[in-house]
Amino acid sequence: GDSVTQMEGPVTLSEEAFLTINCTYTATGYPSLFWYVQYPGEGLQLLLKATKADDKGSNKGFEATYRKETTSFHLEKGSVQVSDSAVYFCALGKKDKLSFGAGTTVTVRA
Amino acid sequence: EAGVTQFPSHSVIEKGQTVTLRCDPISGHDNLYWYRRVMGKEIKFLLHFVKESKQDESGMPNNRFLAERTGGTYSTLKVQPAELEDSGVYFCASSQSPRGTHYTFGSGTRLTVV
Repeated sequence: GDSVTQMEGPVTLSEEAFLTINCTYTATGYPSLFWYVQYPGEGLQLLLKATKADDKGSNKGFEATYRKETTSFHLEKGSVQVSDSAVYFCALGKKDKLSFGAGTTVTVRA
Repeated sequence: EAGVTQFPSHSVIEKGQTVTLRCDPISGHDNLYWYRRVMGKEIKFLLHFVKESKQDESGMPNNRFLAERTGGTYSTLKVQPAELEDSGVYFCASSQSPRGTHYTFGSGTRLTVV
């Protein structure tokens, strides 16, 4: 079945550091790919998405490119802030259903 | 517009008791989904309603779980009797279009079974 594997955390960074969270997927067909974020005390929010191969999703300084050849959708941000501390979930969407990775907890220190 | 509302936000119950979680979707959203995250693992799909009908309930773990959506508005998820392994965060999401690009999630209900 469809599945998502993402980098295990927790990840602790200093402000202005570079962040990468690896995500790979297994799926048949052509799923859409997403990154969701959960800030402390809040619900899941869509951070960015890509619906086909080579698409790049971007939002709030975060980027991820849909790589079909490597079945990956790695999340990157060039300079993180304390406010980026959250749990990040990679997900694939197919047939009205999302399949999530286990989540990566990111803590950014001032 | 109001978001997806879930309550309670937290619930602690004893093994064997019954708990009912509620989700109020965004008004006009026909599609309603339940997901849960158990023990810090991946978030897993439970079921999908289109209006009051269950479109897909393939993720429901067993018959101790009962989901309803009377009148196609709010939804409830009842766990009876609760077991320790049911502990986790239960998320509800709604969308107008049945595509993952347009989900709006609620804040979740953290269920602890002791």
